[in-house]
Amino acid sequence: AQSVSQHNHHVILSEAASLELGCNYSYGGTVNLFWYVQYPGQHLQLLLKYFSGDPLVKGIKGFEAEFIKSKFSFNLRKPSVQWSDTAEYFCAVNKGGGADGLTFGKGTHLIIQP
Amino acid sequence: EAQVTQNPRYLITVTGKKLTVTCSQNMNHEYMSWYRQDPGLGLRQIYYSMNVEVTDKGDVPEGYKVSRKEKRNFPLILESPSPNQTSLYFCASSPYGQPNYGYTFGSGTRLTVV
Repeated sequence: AQSVSQHNHHVILSEAASLELGCNYSYGGTVNLFWYVQYPGQHLQLLLKYFSGDPLVKGIKGFEAEFIKSKFSFNLRKPSVQWSDTAEYFCAVNKGGGADGLTFGKGTHLIIQP
Repeated sequence: EAQVTQNPRYLITVTGKKLTVTCSQNMNHEYMSWYRQDPGLGLRQIYYSMNVEVTDKGDVPEGYKVSRKEKRNFPLILESPSPNQTSLYFCASSPYGQPNYGYTFGSGTRLTVV
């Protein structure tokens, strides 16, 4: 069975700091990788995704992620965070055709201090 | 507007009283899933459906039922709710043949069982 591991459960940063959230998955076949964000009291929104091609993908709000196949990793980055980035971030994977839904990591609660 | 609609948004019920959380999508998606979100555990899949009359268990199906009689609807049924089913529930959908689409999520249903 596939699984997703997020290394940091709680991260506190100051505004303008750089961000990197780690994500590793365990599945040897073809996967599609996603980062979702959940702002306080809201539903999940897609930040970015990797399917194939360029391993460096760019998403909304200045976020990017790099897929490193040899490390089974898909880390999320942002060069300079803002207070409005305070949210819960989830890494997720689906395998193959995606019919059986997503497997999520446990999430990282990010707090940005002004 | 393309969306996944869940009802109700909030529900407080008593142990043992059967309830149904509805989920409807207007995007003609084949794939639908239910998840529960608990602090520190992330999102865990309850059930998923690949199309009408095709459903299967996810990671935490105990105590839940689903049905998929129509493509657009995927209700979650708790026959005899218990306090350990107090959680935040999300429904999501995705189209067939587009594994890189990810899933579109509903706004969530916060269920409290007392």
